[in-house]
Parts: sequence; structure tokens; C-alpha cells
Amino acid sequence: DAGVIQSPRHEVTEMGQEVTLRCKPISGHNSLFWYRQTMMRGLELLIYFNNNVPIDDSGMPEDRFSAKMPNASFSTLKIQPSEPRDSAVYFCASTSGAASPLHFGNGTRLTVT
Amino acid sequence: RKEVEQDPGPFNVPEGATVAFNCTYSNSASQSFFWYRQDCRKEPKLLMSVYSSGNEDGRFTAQLNRASQYISLLIRDSKLSDSATYLCVVNIKRKLIFGQGTELSVKP
Repeated sequence: DAGVIQSPRHEVTEMGQEVTLRCKPISGHNSLFWYRQTMMRGLELLIYFNNNVPIDDSGMPEDRFSAKMPNASFSTLKIQPSEPRDSAVYFCASTSGAASPLHFGNGTRLTVT
Repeated sequence: RKEVEQDPGPFNVPEGATVAFNCTYSNSASQSFFWYRQDCRKEPKLLMSVYSSGNEDGRFTAQLNRASQYISLLIRDSKLSDSATYLCVVNIKRKLIFGQGTELSVKP
């Protein structure tokens, strides 16, 4: 049974470049969450979707960040243009309901130089 | 005030010790609670859900105190392999919010 799949595992890019992170949730899960983790700030919720619809994007740091979920099996998080302070591990997680636990992907480690 | 707060530690304990972590939350309407474990450079993984009546899974016991708005995790007879960061998670208005994590280091 496949878990949450994220790609790429690692991304190194230069400041100003566009970065796209991808996520495939667990089949049948109707909620998808994007988190960012840094040493200083811990795990921060960026945005979450329910049935492919963005419900709360109040955690998205600024307009440079955008997320989409065109269908139940795919979501993207885009940063354009990227900045060094965006360097972090980005996790995608899915769940089957508000009272159910999250299942995480392996994360994408982003480094912006 | 943060929505979910934890003591970041680190907690350094000898093998066999009992250790307890607390996590406080700000929203009294929160309905579901979890403890996750995260190993270095890995993704968080579910350790256990927290139920109103408290629940136990082997050496691990989780409790919820709604009146004081905190959850706790007790680890008995700690093992070297328990060394990790422990994260509490609170469902606040359908958002799953993480505490900053408590680092545990179990020494021989």
C-alpha cells in the first residue's frame, strides 16, 4: 500500500528560480496538508485542501508561494521566485478525516543559494 | 501565545527511566489530539492518538486534560531507541497544528 509520495527528495536551486514541489496523497484520503519545517520555526502549516479545494492558506508566507490540487491524486507547491530564506524541508501529508491522523511523505529538502 | 506549545527540551535520561512530556493548546474547542515521533532527517510518524479517557500502548501512555487544555505522553522503561523528537498535534478548527517538538535523548 503506497504512502504519500513526494518529489523531488532534494532540490538545490539558485535565488530567483522557480521551484515546484509535488505530492501524491494516499488513495482515498480527502484532505491534504503542506507543511514547512525549519530548526527555528518547527513544523508550520502552509495550506490545506479538503476534497481538492483550498480551505485555509493563512500559513502561506507570501505571494511567492502558491499551491494547487487539480485532482484527488496530485498537488503542487510552487515558489516563484525562490529566496535563500525558503530553504527548509517541505512535507506533504494526507488524512481521511479531521479526526484521523496525518500520514506524511518523505519530504523535499529545498536549498536555495 | 502559540496555539500549541511544548517544552523543547532536550530531555536527557538514562535507560529504564520514566519520562513525561506535556503539550498545552489554546483552543478549548479542539477535538482530536495525537503524538508523533520524528527521527533525525525523517518524516514525522504517528505514535498514538490521544483519547478522552486516556490510552496506553505498551510502554507509552497518553492522557488528555480538557479542563487545563493539555495532553501528556508518558514513556516508561525508556530504551535507547526511544531517542527522537516527540511532537504533539492538535486539531484546531480542522487544521492539524504541531507543537515545536520535545527532544528526548536516552543514554546507556
